[in-house]
Amino acid sequence: NAGVTQTPKFRVLKTGQSMTLLCAQDMNHEYMYWYRQDPGMGLRLIHYSVGEGTTAKGEVPDGYNVSRLKKQNFLLGLESAAPSQTSVYFCASSYSMDRGYNEQFFGPGTRLTVL
Amino acid sequence: GENVEQHPSTLSVQEGDSAVIKCTYSDSASNYFPWYKQELGKRPQLIIDIRSNVGEKKDQRIAVTLNKTAKHFSLHITETQPEDSAVYFCAASGGSNYKPTFGKGTLLTVNP
Repeated sequence: NAGVTQTPKFRVLKTGQSMTLLCAQDMNHEYMYWYRQDPGMGLRLIHYSVGEGTTAKGEVPDGYNVSRLKKQNFLLGLESAAPSQTSVYFCASSYSMDRGYNEQFFGPGTRLTVL
Repeated sequence: GENVEQHPSTLSVQEGDSAVIKCTYSDSASNYFPWYKQELGKRPQLIIDIRSNVGEKKDQRIAVTLNKTAKHFSLHITETQPEDSAVYFCAASGGSNYKPTFGKGTLLTVNP
């Protein structure tokens, strides 16, 4: 099993450009999440999904959009990139809390720089 | 919503000493409390977790304790080794909270 994979691993954008980050998981997890990690700020939740076709806002959703058309994929879009979106982006997946736990399985991360 | 506070933000210990990291949470409905370790340049990975029906859980040199009345839980690492150096995150979830709320992390440095 590949677990959680992310594409791309690195990307440099110019201000105003758009891009999509792809997350894929092969563990049949119901929930998927997008986080950003900045120095000293920990992990901040951008958006999450509790099932195919559903999405919800997290702590820092502005400037991002997401879609979950298939259970195994969760896409994060930046419509007009800004330097403040320079960060490391982690995707994660988990089982639903119906099991009593939602251990996060993280992808390897995408390092995004916006110039 | 849930709020998780984590202390200290940095911790430096000598090899062989013990390290303790503490977290407090605000939502009494939370019932799942994991700890993640993130080495430099790597992804966070679960090292231990505890559910609200137990007060303590141990796995070799690592233990987690939970006090639901006081709404706090702690990570204990004994006989620390240089490879324990990393950032550690606590989290809380459960009840109506589908998503985990993370603490801001603790940078643990184990000096040889």
